[in-house]
Amino acid sequence: SQTIHQWPATLVQPVGSPLSLECTVEGTSNPNLYWYRQAAGRGLQLLFYSVGIGQISSEVPQNLSASRPQDRQFILSSKKLLLSDSGFYLCAWKYEGYYNEQFFGPGTRLTVL
Amino acid sequence: AQSVTQLGSHVSVSEGALVLLRCNYSSSVPPYLFWYVQYPNQGLQLLLKYTSAATLVKGINGFEAEFKKSETSFHLTKPSAHMSDAAEYFCAVRNAGNMLTFGGGTRLMVKP
Repeated sequence: SQTIHQWPATLVQPVGSPLSLECTVEGTSNPNLYWYRQAAGRGLQLLFYSVGIGQISSEVPQNLSASRPQDRQFILSSKKLLLSDSGFYLCAWKYEGYYNEQFFGPGTRLTVL
Repeated sequence: AQSVTQLGSHVSVSEGALVLLRCNYSSSVPPYLFWYVQYPNQGLQLLLKYTSAATLVKGINGFEAEFKKSETSFHLTKPSAHMSDAAEYFCAVRNAGNMLTFGGGTRLMVKP
């Protein structure tokens, strides 16, 4: 069976500090990977997606970046956090192919103070 | 382009009452539609999906949804609400880029 992990579960960071959120998937290979953000009172915003190692597509220009150093690892980073980066960050994966749904991780709650 | 509209950001029902969460979509390609549920501080869990087979789709926890092409709708229903159904529900459509476009979500509250 497949499992998706995210860590940390919660994070409180000062403005201007760096960020690294990690997402790993177990039990599958070559998944498509996604980073979403939920800001308070808002829906899901797709930030990045990846169809393979080193292949990152950005949906929204911002001070965040993503990397995929290994097939089942997806990292969300920032060099300097802004207050507006606070939110709930969700990682998701799906099989290749057109029909398949996305499976979501448990999320990381980020508060920037 | 694809888009999803969920009418009603908050819906309140009494325990045992019918649950109806509305979702309308627009899609330039044959739509594949999904309903997800999110409990507080958790990720999204798939409730059900429509991928061009039967138009009435049954999901987990007693939920079902009916795809109506003429109305471009995919409303989610449950005959009898339970307290544990209180959560946020998201409708999504697969877009031409093979990604999901989500609606804004509907928070369901269940009163005892």
